[in-house]
Amino acid sequence: EVQLVESGGGLVQPGGSLRLSCAVSGFTFSSYAMSWVRQAPGKGLEWVSAVSGSGGSIYYADSVRGRFTISRDNSKNILYLQMNSLRAEDTAVYYCAKQRGTTVTTIDYWGQGTLVTVSS
Amino acid sequence: DIQMTQSPSSLSASVGDRVTITCRASQDIANYLAWHQQKPGKVPKLLVFAASTLLSGVPSRFSGSGSGTDFTLTISSLQPEDVATYYCQEYNSAPLTFGGGTTVEIK
Repeated sequence: EVQLVESGGGLVQPGGSLRLSCAVSGFTFSSYAMSWVRQAPGKGLEWVSAVSGSGGSIYYADSVRGRFTISRDNSKNILYLQMNSLRAEDTAVYYCAKQRGTTVTTIDYWGQGTLVTVSS
Repeated sequence: DIQMTQSPSSLSASVGDRVTITCRASQDIANYLAWHQQKPGKVPKLLVFAASTLLSGVPSRFSGSGSGTDFTLTISSLQPEDVATYYCQEYNSAPLTFGGGTTVEIK
């Protein structure tokens, strides 16, 4: 059974940093690309970043490029999102998501999400 | 970047009605189109990928069609458990883009 468990969310002040983690199980982690997708309160889904199965290809949304860093540890089956210079508009539930193949493709499994609140 | 436009943004229909949701891409994405369902307070769930392939376990009343720039998700006979927001998502290339969502309610 595919499981994606996010952690690391919380309340942070504007300009602060936070690192999200996603521990996965139930599939061969290194064989699949992974994404982070966020959803602001009452809003739609916004793709944030993706990394290929090997970690060699990385992609970002314009809204986070230069501030967020995605990474993965295939030996520990963990996906990360380092978020720096956080803004109020980054407030959202952040979902870890598995993709169907080793490169960027559709999402087929979603984690439960972790809430990030950026506020003073 | 590719823009995805969904319509309508919301709809209300009766149980048993046929419901159609449309998604238009700003450029040709072949069949690299998925549909996700998000029930109120829940995590999104993949329903359809490759424009028309139903994920295993998804009720057969759901169907997807289209290619190029125009796509549809159809619920042939709306059921109470289908109340949700539906999102299209293109995966032709990064950045991946979601449509704005269509909220389906029961009349």
